Amino acid sequence: GAVVSQHPSRVICKSGTSVKIECRSLDFQATTMFWYRQFPKQSLMLMATSNEGSKATYEQGVEKDKFLINHASLTLSTLTVTSAHPEDSSFYICSAISAGTGDQPQHFGDGTRLSIL
Amino acid sequence: DAKTTQPPSMDCAEGRAANLPCNHSTISGNEYVYWYRQIHSQGPQYIIHGLKNNETNEMASLIITEDRKSSTLILPHATLRDTAVYYCIVRPRTQGGKLIFGQGTELSVKP
Repeated sequence: GAVVSQHPSRVICKSGTSVKIECRSLDFQATTMFWYRQFPKQSLMLMATSNEGSKATYEQGVEKDKFLINHASLTLSTLTVTSAHPEDSSFYICSAISAGTGDQPQHFGDGTRLSIL
Repeated sequence: DAKTTQPPSMDCAEGRAANLPCNHSTISGNEYVYWYRQIHSQGPQYIIHGLKNNETNEMASLIITEDRKSSTLILPHATLRDTAVYYCIVRPRTQGGKLIFGQGTELSVKP
C-alpha cells in the first residue's frame, strides 16, 4: 500500500528557532500534499495544500510567512515553522495523494510532535 | 463541502461487529464518502471509501443508503487494536480534493 514517511517524529527546540519537517511519499508520486496540525483532544485542521512545482494554497487564518511550504519534487514536501514560539507546539501531520481518477485516497504520515520551550 | 455528523463516542465488545453511523444529508452527486481512523498519537489511516454502492475490503464494509444521506462503517469482528477515533468525511471527486475533518467517533473496544 501507499506509504508516506514523515521526519522527524518528534522535535523539541527553543523559542525563536526554525524547524523543518519533511514529508515523503515512498512508493508513489504525490502530485498533491497536504499539511495539517492537531492540538490535544482536537481534530485535524488543514493548514495548506501544496502541488508539486507551484506555490502552496493556505487555509484562512494560516500565516504563509510563518509556515513555509516547499513541494520541490513529486516525492517530497517540507514544512518550515519559522521563528517558532510555544503556541506553535502541536502535532503536525502531512498527507499525500497520487494522480488518478479523482477519488484516490489521501495517505498520511505518522506525524511530527513539535514542542517549543 | 457537505458536512457530516457522527456520534462522539461508542463502545463495542471485543469480537463483536462495530457499526459506526454517519449522517451526510447535504451530500451532492459528485461527493464521495471516506472513512479514516486515528489511533492515539499516530497519523490517520485510510479505511475505505464509496460513492453510492456498498464497498468491502479487508478492513471494513461501507454501507451507503440509497438516498446517500447516511452511511455506516462496519468492522465485522472488532479487536482491542480497533480502538481509535473514526472519521467520516465527504469529499468532492476532484483531483487533489482536500479532506476536512470533523470531530469523529471515539470507538472503545472493550474486552
